[in-house]
Amino acid sequence: EADIYQTPRYLVIGTGKKITLECSQTMGHDKMYWYQQDPGMELHLIHYSYGVNSTEKGDLSSESTVSRIRTEHFPLTLESARPSHTSQYLCASSERGSNQPQHFGDGTRLSIL
Amino acid sequence: AQKVTQAQTEISVVEKEDVTLDCVYETRDTTYYLFWYKQPPSGELVFLIRRNSFDEQNEISGRYSWNFQKSTSSFNFTITASQVVDSAVYFCALSEARGYQKVTFGTGTKLQVIP
Repeated sequence: EADIYQTPRYLVIGTGKKITLECSQTMGHDKMYWYQQDPGMELHLIHYSYGVNSTEKGDLSSESTVSRIRTEHFPLTLESARPSHTSQYLCASSERGSNQPQHFGDGTRLSIL
Repeated sequence: AQKVTQAQTEISVVEKEDVTLDCVYETRDTTYYLFWYKQPPSGELVFLIRRNSFDEQNEISGRYSWNFQKSTSSFNFTITASQVVDSAVYFCALSEARGYQKVTFGTGTKLQVIP
């Protein structure tokens, strides 16, 4: 069973605040991903990482940033939250290799007032 | 560029009916991998199955079966005797074997099983 954790599960916060969404995995996976998804809708890749000190922007332009200082940790930061950032954010990880499935966290549902 | 199309946005069936979810893909790679994921209302995506481009054998797992046909670039998913617990959004995904090994997800099919 996959062990990937996201906190917080839900967050309601005001405009202009700095937010960090946490994602940790205990499987030693090299690859990690952040997706933005409106509930039940299409997944949009916003960031990914192939290992420590490796981060890349995904297909969807995002005002967020990520860091990968440790293998197990891949936090996502919004410097100044806006209502347009309201969405669900899903973190995932996978082993090396294109044949490896992604394991997803429970997601963070973010609502910016 | 690779692409995954799930033309069915929403499907409703009555419990115990069979249902097939369609997935059509495009890729220039000769080696690639296909996946199906399930996202129940709780929100977490769950991996269901993986198929590589060299293996066209169909697979059955309980009430679930998958039909992979390279000739039509399709990887369809059938649920037999559907149950309410099958209600979820189902995503098909394609991973290329070369380069950045990018994963492309389809837009998902929402399945509602009515009791």
